[in-house]
Amino acid sequence: DAGITQSPRHKVTETGTPVTLRCHQTENHRYMYWYRQDPGHGLRLIHYSYGVKDTDKGEVSDGYSVSRSKTEDFLLTLESATSSQTSVYFCAIRPGFSYQETQYFGPGTRLLVL
Amino acid sequence: AQTVTQSQPEMSVQEAETVTLSCTYDTSESDYYLFWYKQPPSRQMILVIRQEAYKQQNATENRFSVNFQKAAKSFSLKISDSQLGDAAMYFCAYKGQGGSEKLVFGKGTKLTVNP
Repeated sequence: DAGITQSPRHKVTETGTPVTLRCHQTENHRYMYWYRQDPGHGLRLIHYSYGVKDTDKGEVSDGYSVSRSKTEDFLLTLESATSSQTSVYFCAIRPGFSYQETQYFGPGTRLLVL
Repeated sequence: AQTVTQSQPEMSVQEAETVTLSCTYDTSESDYYLFWYKQPPSRQMILVIRQEAYKQQNATENRFSVNFQKAAKSFSLKISDSQLGDAAMYFCAYKGQGGSEKLVFGKGTKLTVNP
């Protein structure tokens, strides 16, 4: 257990509405990540953070923004949700002191955009 | 760009027997890390095993071991004495050493364990 929680765990929303997903960690890890998982694609990186207010884009960042105002929280916002953003979203952390590059994942958030 | 290929969409094994899941990858980097993650029906992504490319010795974790062939860019997972709880999706993943924070995942192999 890497001390990662995600909220909400399930959400149904309508096209065009903003949605914010929260990732919370309890162990002050420097690196945090947001991935999405879709059938036939495995997991793909959306955004990541390497410290408070330090974020960068991943490979599928269009339509998403992130914020990290505290070490423990990393927020993912869908600015105007579309049906193509229906997916399972995973948060991950990487212990900064480890050079083994291992990422540990939260339980996931299932998002349905109608 | 790095790619990870899992050529077996589905595999099955009898309880107590051994099964091997295949993974190949493409990279021009010399230093990198490889991982196998397990995703049971709960959808939690669970690290199974990790291999550093600079280590020639294959990683093992209890009933799980890998066959890492760097020249062939192959990283297979062997599960010995399969148990019903091993039934899950298994994902192979690659992480380069050279600055990218992205884990590159394969599309997964669904493992069924038959009693």
